[in-house]
Amino acid sequence: NAGVTQTPKFQVLKTGQSMTLQCAQDMNHEYMSWYRQDPGMGLRLIHYSVGAGITDQGEVPNGYNVSRSTTEDFPLRLLSAAPSQTSVYFCASSRPGLSYEQYFGPGTRLTVT
Amino acid sequence: DAKTTQPTSMDCAEGRAANLPCNHSTISGNEYVYWYRQIHSQGPQYIIHGLKNNETNEMASLIITEDRKSSTLILPHATLRDTAVYYCIVRVAGPFYGGSQGNLIFGKGTKLSVKP
Repeated sequence: NAGVTQTPKFQVLKTGQSMTLQCAQDMNHEYMSWYRQDPGMGLRLIHYSVGAGITDQGEVPNGYNVSRSTTEDFPLRLLSAAPSQTSVYFCASSRPGLSYEQYFGPGTRLTVT
Repeated sequence: DAKTTQPTSMDCAEGRAANLPCNHSTISGNEYVYWYRQIHSQGPQYIIHGLKNNETNEMASLIITEDRKSSTLILPHATLRDTAVYYCIVRVAGPFYGGSQGNLIFGKGTKLSVKP
């Protein structure tokens, strides 16, 4: 299994541009989530999904959209990038049912100028 | 907000046991204690979890006090590769079929530096 994969690894955007961060998992996990991590901080939850077609907001959802059309994919869209969205973004997934352990992707480092 | 309190940083000599404390005085009866770690620039990695009994796996041991208000993660023989930020998290265990119960709430964790 590839586990949780994220693309791209690095991205530079100009203010106002839009883009989609990709996340995929091949473990048939129902639960998927997006976190951001700013320097010296812990991870903060942006959006999450408990299954295909179901999404909900986390702690810091403003400026981001998500959708979950398949079990495998959970893309994160930045609608109009702002410098405050400069961060490292992590995607995670969990097994269905008793989700004791979340598996994290390698992260996407985003810089907005 | 994170429901745990951890020291900001700790040092440990290579080969010695690293004991990382966590305070979770408001833990509920149905909440587990989870430990994750994050090695520089990588995604967090699950280490161990427990409810009230001590737990051990190939990575670490988890000691939970009888009143469950605090716990200690023990890395028995720390190596340089164990240098990381360690997060203590409390959360109910599944199954999760809706709502926010499945989410992990990360605090700032403890930065463990293992020194030669």
